[in-house]
Amino acid sequence: KQEVTQIPAALSVPEGENLVLNCSFTDSAIYNLQWFRQDPGKGLTSLLLIQSSQREQTSGRLNASLDKSSGRSTLYIAASQPGDSATYLCAVSKYSGGGADGLTFGKGTHLIIQP
Amino acid sequence: ETGVTQSPTHLIKTRGQQVTLRCSSQSGHNTVSWYQQALGQGPQFIFQYYREEENGRGNFPPRFSGLQFPNYSSELNVNALELDDSALYLCASSPQGGLRGGGELFFGEGSRLTVL
Repeated sequence: KQEVTQIPAALSVPEGENLVLNCSFTDSAIYNLQWFRQDPGKGLTSLLLIQSSQREQTSGRLNASLDKSSGRSTLYIAASQPGDSATYLCAVSKYSGGGADGLTFGKGTHLIIQP
Repeated sequence: ETGVTQSPTHLIKTRGQQVTLRCSSQSGHNTVSWYQQALGQGPQFIFQYYREEENGRGNFPPRFSGLQFPNYSSELNVNALELDDSALYLCASSPQGGLRGGGELFFGEGSRLTVL
């Protein structure tokens, strides 16, 4: 059974800092890995999608890396801003050989950027 | 381009009742999946529909059922509601092939269900 762990569970940093969120997964047989942002009581906003054959993806101040063999991904946020405050979720899609297993999510990292 | 829309946004039910949640997929997307997110947890996969057929299911009992319509919109039905069914229910759509095609998932804002 695929398990996804995100570290740290919560993080509070002053505005302007660069920061790294970590995600690990137990089964490396994945299609892709996706990072999401969730604001309180809201749905999920897709940030970055990394296919299993890729090593990293970048969008603006965000950079996500994937090391499939070690079961790890990191989300790097440069020059953090108060508007980045949210919960960040990592999710993987696992190849099952039949049917769709859906995404397996971590519990998220709750990020607060202090003005 | 219209995103994923869900209705209702909030609803309150009592134990034993039945509920139907609705989802309109993003334009051009024919695969719809549903997730349950309890407070403080990551979403959990309920099931996925492709071309009006369920083609994947998570660890949820049969009282969780669904439909997909020819226009790719979808419903989630939950019978015999229990207190633990209280959660945010999220719908996601993806292009043809869904996850097995390497597709990205796009989520709606969710329906917040409270069971008393």
